Amino acid sequence: DVKVTQSSRYLVKRTGEKVFLECVQDMDHENMFWYRQDPGLGLRLIYFSYDVKMKEKGDIPEGYSVSREKKERFSLILESASTNQTSMYLCASRRDRRYSNQPQHFGDGTRLSIL
Amino acid sequence: GQNIDQPTEMTATEGAIVQINCTYQTSGFNGLFWYQQHAGEAPTFLSYNVLDGLEEKGRFSSFLSRSKGYSYLLLKELQMKDSASYLCAVLNDYKLSFGAGTTVTVRA
Repeated sequence: DVKVTQSSRYLVKRTGEKVFLECVQDMDHENMFWYRQDPGLGLRLIYFSYDVKMKEKGDIPEGYSVSREKKERFSLILESASTNQTSMYLCASRRDRRYSNQPQHFGDGTRLSIL
Repeated sequence: GQNIDQPTEMTATEGAIVQINCTYQTSGFNGLFWYQQHAGEAPTFLSYNVLDGLEEKGRFSSFLSRSKGYSYLLLKELQMKDSASYLCAVLNDYKLSFGAGTTVTVRA
């Protein structure tokens, strides 16, 4: 089974702090994704990476950056946290775009509160 | 842009059948996924459709009509553990675009 592990289930930070969310997958997947999930809005894509050191903006990248130095690890960075970034953050991985029938596999999520 | 619509909430009785509809308008299409998400947990994969028709997997079935931009997820013989959110998602190249999710409540 694919295992996607997020470093924290719950995190509380202060406005203006730099925040790092870490995600690791153990199945040698090419593609990795960061989403945020808010009530009534569903999952929205922040950034994704189709390979090591590659990154692409998703639908809501403002205020975020990412890093993928190793294939198994994809980090989401909040450069200067703000209260509107309080949300559930979900990481996902997927084998490769060539296998369209392969689903994305999700981590358990990090519930981030910015005070 | 992407527009994916599904009902917000549905309620059904244990043992009954529930059908969750999803309509979509997207700039590209490489398939449609359904995920189940229990409260506080990760979404888990249920089904994938890329061709028109019905895919059956035990108590769950999923249907796709590409010409109508329409899919449904059918849950049969409902059990209490089926109370969850069900997410419709359309794949376009690398990206999945999600609907807001349908919360299904199963009552005894």
